[in-house]
Amino acid sequence: GAGVSQSPRYKVAKRGQDVALRCDPISGHVSLFWYQQALGQGPEFLTYFQNEAQLDKSGLPSDRFFAERPEGSVSTLKIQRTQQEDSAVYLCASSLVGGEQFFGPGTRLTVL
Amino acid sequence: KNEVEQSPQNLTAQEGEFITINCSYSVGISALHWLQQHPGGGIVSLFMLSSGKKKHGRLIATINIQEKHSSLHITASHPRDSAVYICAARNSDSGGGADGLTFGKGTHLIIQP
Repeated sequence: GAGVSQSPRYKVAKRGQDVALRCDPISGHVSLFWYQQALGQGPEFLTYFQNEAQLDKSGLPSDRFFAERPEGSVSTLKIQRTQQEDSAVYLCASSLVGGEQFFGPGTRLTVL
Repeated sequence: KNEVEQSPQNLTAQEGEFITINCSYSVGISALHWLQQHPGGGIVSLFMLSSGKKKHGRLIATINIQEKHSSLHITASHPRDSAVYICAARNSDSGGGADGLTFGKGTHLIIQP
């Protein structure tokens, strides 16, 4: 595919469940970003990878959030023991280093 | 941390009007992005700029580095332009190398026929 893809598009989880969100970046894009967008708000930075290296995870809200990109391509954002305040759209974006970021459609997570 | 402010927060206009959305940021940046988000839809990058002005169709983006201010203009607005427009700043001091963006809260634009 030509763009960034994310799966699932929608996820409903019960409070306390673990979830895993997947991002497939544009082929050849070295940089990969995860953002969290709460309802009615602008996105907020979570974490950033350059190839397989996680260079910045300062935006992860708690140690329940974990991201990986083991082969420098696909990335997974994992949230353990989900809580209601984790409900948001999780956006993934990829780019060449320092280049324009291209966004995926997002995963809408609802925690009941 | 960079603070990114947008105005107006909401804007309703008639078809054909000239639209201006403003964005200001608090610290130096390496680039500023303008993004478009439709309800329930993903984010589309409109512009990335670090100086001057860029134009694409009916959209124009300008930036004034000294004043830490950028504007997005839409000429001959159309109902299909209705969306949320978000500006996002990439800091010039990226510390550990992160290019992560700091986003404004967005401007909700409605163009009425």
